[in-house]
Amino acid sequence: AQTVTQSQPEMSVQEAETVTLSCTYDTSENNYYLFWYKQPPSRQMILVIRQEAYKQQNATENRFSVNFQKAAKSFSLKISDSQLGDTAMYFCAFMKPAGNNRKLIWGLGTSLAVNP
Amino acid sequence: GAGVSQSPRYKVAKRGQDVALRCDPISGHVSLFWYQQALGQGPEFLTYFQNEAQLDKSGLPSDRFFAERPEGSVSTLKIQRTQQEDSAVYLCASSFGLGNYNEQFFGPGTRLTVL
Repeated sequence: AQTVTQSQPEMSVQEAETVTLSCTYDTSENNYYLFWYKQPPSRQMILVIRQEAYKQQNATENRFSVNFQKAAKSFSLKISDSQLGDTAMYFCAFMKPAGNNRKLIWGLGTSLAVNP
Repeated sequence: GAGVSQSPRYKVAKRGQDVALRCDPISGHVSLFWYQQALGQGPEFLTYFQNEAQLDKSGLPSDRFFAERPEGSVSTLKIQRTQQEDSAVYLCASSFGLGNYNEQFFGPGTRLTVL
């Protein structure tokens, strides 16, 4: 069974600084997807970034980028130029694309506070 | 266009009551997922529909939980004889198709409190 581990329950960063959130996972699959989701206090879960395991290039979306280390089963999220609106819970999630079910397997989350 | 909507947004139930939570997915989305998110935890998968077919209900915690999607659109998650441990936010997500990757779009959730 797949598992996702986020070892940082809480983090804080100063506005405009850079912060890195950690995620490790365990799977015997070779092909899969990894995601970072953001959940602001309003609780609507929003996709931040995704990574296909077969792609060696790290995904980037504006100020958000990942460091995907497949052999180490590590998938960290870097937020550059942090903004107050980045304050939220961040969840790392895993999906195995094979079969009929594309269910997401989630970590426990990291609460990020961006301070002015 | 409208996103995924859920109702009610908040539900308070007395222990032993039955509750029904509704999810309206994005129009045309084939796949629909229910997740349970306990306070301070990550979401956990409950069940999955492909159109009206419930293809995976392995995450439902007990036979008190029942989900349906009779016409392949709106889905209802029903919890019978609620217990305090059922208190959580119930998230619904939908995705367009069955390709290798289809983004799941989430609703705002229903916060269930069982007293």
